[in-house]
Amino acid sequence: EAGVAQSPRYKIIEKRQSVAFWCNPISGHATLYWYQQILGQGPKLLIQFQNNGVVDDSQLPKDRFSAERLKGVDSTLKIQPAKLEDSAVYLCASRIAGRTDTQYFGPGTRLTVL
Amino acid sequence: GQQVMQIPQYQHVQEGEDFTTYCNSSTTLSNIQWYKQRPGGHPVFLIQLVKSGEVKKQKRLTFQFGEAKKNSSLHITATQTTDVGTYFCAGYGAGGTSYGKLTFGQGTILTVHP
Repeated sequence: EAGVAQSPRYKIIEKRQSVAFWCNPISGHATLYWYQQILGQGPKLLIQFQNNGVVDDSQLPKDRFSAERLKGVDSTLKIQPAKLEDSAVYLCASRIAGRTDTQYFGPGTRLTVL
Repeated sequence: GQQVMQIPQYQHVQEGEDFTTYCNSSTTLSNIQWYKQRPGGHPVFLIQLVKSGEVKKQKRLTFQFGEAKKNSSLHITATQTTDVGTYFCAGYGAGGTSYGKLTFGQGTILTVHP
């Protein structure tokens, strides 16, 4: 079974630029998450999708971050404009559906904002 | 909001020594998950605990969920160099504003000296 795919793996941009990350979850997984992991900290949930609907985006900085999952499969996370404090690893994770199901993480995208 | 704290933040052990990390939540949890993240890698699911007082074992790893479902622990017996990494707990809120929200602790970084 293929895992969660993410691209790009690394991205370096200057502050105030825009950036987008892509995630392809495990086939058949209805729930998709985007996390932000700052160095030395645990993953922080940014947004949770159930199919193509948003379940929780309470910690998403909506003035600069946006995410979509139009067809209930792939998802993109965008930052516009980026700030220095956005430097982090952005992790995508998916699970089949229920809260007790295993959550599988992708390799992440390491973003550096200069 | 829901907070999940882990202690210690760092633990250095000699190979063969035991290791324990503790996880405490500010709110009651419906279930708790443990993950391991190797340096440069992504979190990998280890186990989930659901029942009050539950104890589960995986070879040298023992996981425990507190009676009040607000704390958990992970104990590794006779550590090996392959145990190196950061261990995260992540809990789902059981009620109120934290219901259904998954919050990660900040992790315990384990170093094993051969």
